[in-house]
Amino acid sequence: QVQLVQSGAEVKKPGASVKVSCRASGYNFTSIGINWVRQAPGQGLEWMGWISPYNGHTNYVQNLQGRVTMTTDTSTSTVHMELRSLKSDDTAMYYCARAMIVGADAFDIWGQGTLVTVSS
Amino acid sequence: QSALTQPASVSGSPGQSITISCTGTSSDVGTYNLVSWYQQHPGKAPKVIIYEVTKRPSGVSNRFSGSKSGNTASLTISGLQAEDEADYHCCSYAGRSTYVFGGGTKLTAL
Repeated sequence: QVQLVQSGAEVKKPGASVKVSCRASGYNFTSIGINWVRQAPGQGLEWMGWISPYNGHTNYVQNLQGRVTMTTDTSTSTVHMELRSLKSDDTAMYYCARAMIVGADAFDIWGQGTLVTVSS
Repeated sequence: QSALTQPASVSGSPGQSITISCTGTSSDVGTYNLVSWYQQHPGKAPKVIIYEVTKRPSGVSNRFSGSKSGNTASLTISGLQAEDEADYHCCSYAGRSTYVFGGGTKLTAL
C-alpha cells in the first residue's frame, strides 16, 4: 500500500542539527512532491517546505530559510529534512506528507511523525 | 505569512451540525480556491477530508462539507457523531509554492 515511513525520535541539544528521513513506497516516488509539516506540542500545524523528488527542486517557508535543507534520494525513494542551529522552540512532531495526485495543493498520505526534542 | 485564524474550540451534540471557520487574507484564502481541511485524532497524523474548498477525497463521509466566502473558508460537519471528536486544521495555498495552516480547532462532541 501507499505509505510514508519516517525515521525514529531524536533528542538534540540547542545549536545542533537533526536530519529526519521519510521513505516512500507503493507509488511512483518521482511523480509527486513531498512536503514537511511540523507541530509543536499542543499547537497547530506549520508548513515547512516542499521538495520535488523528480528534480530536487525545493521551496521553504521564509522563517526557516537558511536553517532547513530538504533533499531526495531516488535510489531509496527517500526524502530527508535537515534542520540546523536547533532551538528549544523547534521541539515538535515532524511529518512528511505527500501532495495529492488529484488536487496537488492538499496532502493525502502522511508519515507517522518523528518527534524531535531540543533540550540542554 | 501569518497563520490562518480558526476558533480554538467548538462543540456540539450528537446529530447536530457544526461549522468551523478559517479566516485568511486576500493573499491566500481570498485569492485561491485551494483550501484543504484535515482531521487529526490524538496521537495520530492528520487526514485530509476536504480539498480545493469543497471536494471530498474518496472514502470521506458526505457529512463533511466545505465552502468559502471572501477571505473565510468553512468546514461543516452534519449529523455530528462521537467519532468526529478531533482537532481540525485548515490550510491554504499562499502563492509562490507556499502554504499556510490555521491554528487548529478542537471539536468536542457533547
